[in-house]
Amino acid sequence: DAGVTQSPTHLIKTRGQQVTLRCSPKSGHDTVSWYQQALGQGPQFIFQYYEEEERQRGNFPDRFSGHQFPNYSSELNVNALLLGDSALYLCASSSLFSGRVNEQFFGPGTRLTVL
Amino acid sequence: QQPVQSPQAVILREGEDAVINCSSSKALYSVHWYRQKHGEAPVFLMILLKGGEQKGHEKISASFNEKKQQSSLYLTASQLSYSGTYFCGTELEGSNYQLIWGAGTKLIIKP
Repeated sequence: DAGVTQSPTHLIKTRGQQVTLRCSPKSGHDTVSWYQQALGQGPQFIFQYYEEEERQRGNFPDRFSGHQFPNYSSELNVNALLLGDSALYLCASSSLFSGRVNEQFFGPGTRLTVL
Repeated sequence: QQPVQSPQAVILREGEDAVINCSSSKALYSVHWYRQKHGEAPVFLMILLKGGEQKGHEKISASFNEKKQQSSLYLTASQLSYSGTYFCGTELEGSNYQLIWGAGTKLIIKP
């Protein structure tokens, strides 16, 4: 059983560019959450997708947007990249649990470097 | 809103015990614990729900004090494999689907 996969593993972009990160959830999971993790910090919640809709959003600007496809895979898009966007971007999948947060399975992450 | 974890770091000898604390200023519905090894993704350890019982497996257990909005993770007879950074993620009462994570506690186990 394949776990959560993310692509690409590493990415280097320059300020002002746009980037798309991809995530495939664990088999049987229908919910995808995206996190930003700066070096030495805990993950910061960006948003969560369920049934192709953004269900909850953290404190991130509109430059961060996402999408979920019918097969539950998801994309994270970041426009107008800033140096401060450099971080590890983690995707986590889970299954619905009475409307609350369930055990999350994380992918290996995408390391984004903005120059 | 970010929960406060303590200590920030701890160094132990193999076989020693450790306690990691996670405190919130907001009312919590649940506390989640994860361990992240260097260069790897976080791995789920356990969830503690409001009104639930203390959880544990093998030599890692945790408790949730609702009155203090505090959770503690207990690692007994630590093994080298326990090394890593431990994060608590808190789910607030009335706030669905979102975990707010602490800054982490780095645990180093020496032989």
